[in-house]
Amino acid sequence: TQLLEQSPQFLSIQEGENLTVYCNSSSVFSSLQWYRQEPGEGPVLLVTVVTGGEVKKLKRLTFQFGDARKDSSLHITAAQPGDTGLYLCAGPPPNSGYALNFGKGTSLLVTP
Amino acid sequence: NAGVTQTPKFRILKIGQSMTLQCTQDMNHNYMYWYRQDPGMGLKLIYYSVGAGITDKGEVPNGYNVSRSTTEDFPLRLELAAPSQTSVYFCASTLRGTSGKLGQFFGPGTRLTVL
Repeated sequence: TQLLEQSPQFLSIQEGENLTVYCNSSSVFSSLQWYRQEPGEGPVLLVTVVTGGEVKKLKRLTFQFGDARKDSSLHITAAQPGDTGLYLCAGPPPNSGYALNFGKGTSLLVTP
Repeated sequence: NAGVTQTPKFRILKIGQSMTLQCTQDMNHNYMYWYRQDPGMGLKLIYYSVGAGITDKGEVPNGYNVSRSTTEDFPLRLELAAPSQTSVYFCASTLRGTSGKLGQFFGPGTRLTVL
C-alpha cells in the first residue's frame, strides 16, 4: 500500500491567518486529490493535481503537486471559519482503475 | 440529482445483532465503494463493486458482506455486530477509471455504535 502521510494532524488558528498543510509519500503518484470533510458530512473533492510542479488555485486555496509527484501542499490565505474541517489527500495506487489511498487528514479549526 | 444517499444516519446496535446499511446513487456510476472512518485513522476501504453483480474485498472486509444487484444500490451487511465495528461508514461512487481524475462522490455517512 502506498502510504500518504499528512501533517500537521491538527491545526487551530485564528481568522485571517495563513496556513499550509502537507501530504507526503515515498511513492510516486500519477495524481493526487484533496478533499474537505465538514463535521457530520462526507468528503467533498476540492481539486485534482496531475502534473509534477502543477499549481492550482481555488479562491483562497492554493494546491501544489511536487516536481517528483511524491508530495503535495495546500495553502490557505486569510483563513475563515468556513474553512474549518478535515482536509484529506488521496491518490490512486499504480495499476488500479478503481482505488484511492487516503491520508489520515489534517483537522483544521479556524476561530473568529 | 440527489447524488449518493445513505440510510440510516445513526444507529445503535447490541453485540451480535445484524443490520444493513443502505446506499443509493443516481449518477449512473458503475463503481461503488464502502469505507469506514475511525478517528485519526483516515478512510479504510471495506468492499467495492465495479458493476452490478461484481463485488470484491477491500482492505478491511472481515465482518461485512455486500451485494450489488442494480447499478444504483450497494448495501452493506453486518451479520454479527461487534464493538470493533463502531465507526462512521461512508458509501462512495465514481465512473469507471475516473477515480484518479474526477474523484469519488461520497454520501453523508452512517454513524454506527455497537454496545
